[in-house]
Amino acid sequence: GDSVTQTEGLVTLTEGLPVMLNCTYQSTYSPFLFWYVQHLNEAPKLLLKSFTDNKRPEHQGFHATLHKSSSSFHLQKSSAQLSDSALYYCALSDRGTGSNRLTFGKGTKFSLIP
Amino acid sequence: EAAVTQSPRSKVAVTGGKVTLSCHQTNNHDYMYWYRQDTGHGLRLIHYSYVADSTEKGDIPDGYKASRPSQENFSLILELASLSQTAVYFCASSDEANSDYTFGSGTRLLVI
Repeated sequence: GDSVTQTEGLVTLTEGLPVMLNCTYQSTYSPFLFWYVQHLNEAPKLLLKSFTDNKRPEHQGFHATLHKSSSSFHLQKSSAQLSDSALYYCALSDRGTGSNRLTFGKGTKFSLIP
Repeated sequence: EAAVTQSPRSKVAVTGGKVTLSCHQTNNHDYMYWYRQDTGHGLRLIHYSYVADSTEKGDIPDGYKASRPSQENFSLILELASLSQTAVYFCASSDEANSDYTFGSGTRLLVI
């Protein structure tokens, strides 16, 4: 079945430094990949979604590139901000089954130090 | 504004009791989902539905039932609540076309 593997646990960085959160996946079909962000006591919200072509999605300074050859969709930002502290989920949508269901990774908690 | 509303926001239930979590969406979406969130496990799919009066099992359906009486409403039912069902539960809806999810604010369930 489908699966998503992320950098697990807590990632701590000093504000202003670049960040990369890893995401790799396994899927029978060619899925859409997503990054969701969840701030404390809030609902998860869509941050980025992969495109079917080679465009690189960007939002709030974050970007991610879908590499089908390595089954990866790593999240990157050149300069992390305190407001980026949150829980980040990578997810994939299995387009082959028609169910539109998302399979999530276990999440990466990202914490910034001033 | 289109939204997904969950009720209650939090609940304390007794082991063996019945619990019903409710979800209402105004997005006009066909798909609705119930996930549970646990530290170290992320978000796991319990049940989902793509049309009223029909539900499908997700990855962890044991101990849960679901009901979709209309396009707007989707309930999660714990007939015999257990300690292991203590978690935060999220409802979500999506458009079939683009897969983006809109999540509700979550229900924090404590089973004692």
